[in-house]
Formats: sequence, structure tokens, C-alpha cells
Amino acid sequence: DAMVIQNPRYQVTQFGKPVTLSCSQTLNHNVMYWYQQKSSQAPKLLFHYYDKDFNNEADTPDNFQSRRPNTSFCFLDIRSPGLGDAAMYLCATSRGTVRATEAFFGQGTRLTVV
Amino acid sequence: AQSVTQLGSHVSVSEGALVLLRCNYSSSVPPYLFWYVQYPNQGLQLLLKYTTGATLVKGINGFEAEFKKSETSFHLTKPSAHMSDAAEYFCAVSAGGTSYGKLTFGQGTILTVHP
Repeated sequence: DAMVIQNPRYQVTQFGKPVTLSCSQTLNHNVMYWYQQKSSQAPKLLFHYYDKDFNNEADTPDNFQSRRPNTSFCFLDIRSPGLGDAAMYLCATSRGTVRATEAFFGQGTRLTVV
Repeated sequence: AQSVTQLGSHVSVSEGALVLLRCNYSSSVPPYLFWYVQYPNQGLQLLLKYTTGATLVKGINGFEAEFKKSETSFHLTKPSAHMSDAAEYFCAVSAGGTSYGKLTFGQGTILTVHP
């Protein structure tokens, strides 16, 4: 009954080689979020989509991009991963209305950069 | 602007003892407050949340938290710790509404439960 699914769970990529992380949802929520969580740190919001409207956080590096081709899917693209980008990447969704109840998180993708 | 401070990066309790994890927040708007639990290499699972109304909120697995506006606190408690409670706990705040999932997290508290 997984509602927010992230693939893959573990990703190893080479320094500088573009990588894409995937998130899908069965909740039909119109808001999707990407968080970065480095080791022993709190999750930090990178950006979010409200429907097709992209909202970048001010301090998110340009190296990070996102795509949302439809309601169900959202992708995180890292154009040139550096060693400092190794982290857990968490996708979350919520209803974009005042009646939203909670944000639902996926299981995360652990990214290793070698 | 919003921020969260969790007092104590590590808390250790005996099985059966009271669990108390502290969280203080700062928010320029009425806050929506959450506690999440994270097991190793897993995503975040919502334990409980405060939006409006009753200030004592009950969550899953026997956890509860009390919103105290005067103290800007939202401490998490559980009367009797179980070994399965060992995990990392995050307190978070959002502005709610259409920003419901825009969460600002505290630094986390690792809970250790020993026999």
C-alpha cells in the first residue's frame, strides 16, 4: 500500500556524472517536495512543485533541478554530483489546500558519490 | 520565518521508563507542529501533529505531545519506553495551509532504549 514510492532506494553514481532520482505517488496530491538529508543532519527542503509551478528554495544549488511531467511523478536531477551531494533524498507529498492533513514521505533514496 | 530547536541530540532511557524529547519552536505565524520518527535508512513517519484545537495530541505507538504556546514548546512523551522505540525523532514546524509540507526540522534526537 505504498503511497509515495522512491526509486531506487540506493544509488551509486560517479563524481560529475548526472543522476536522476524518481518519486511517484498514488495519493493524487498536488504538491510534491524534495528534501536533502545529509548524514546526522535534519532534512532540508530543496524545492517543491505546486501542481506545475516550481518553487525553488533560495539556497538550493543550481546543480539541483527537478521535473514533474504529471501529477504522479517527480524527478530530482543532479547535473554534476560532487562528494558533498552524498545524502538521503526524501520525496514528500501533501494536498495543496487549507484542508491538508499531513505530508507523506517516501522511503528515501540514499545517494553515494564515488 | 520559522525555526525548531531540539534539546539533546541523544537521549538514553531504560525499557519501561518515561520518554521525554524536547522541542521548542519559533514562528511568526500560528504554527503547525509535527513529530516524525526515522529508522535507519528509512523515510520519515508521522507520529503526531498539532494544527488547531486541543493542545494535547495523541499519536501512534503511545506517544503524545502538548502544545504550549506560552513556552513555545511541543515536547514529545511516552510513559513507558519499548525497545522498538529506538530511532531518531524530528520535531518540525510549518505554516500550514498550502504550505503544509514545507517543513522546517529540528536537528533530531536519537533515542536509545536499553534493557
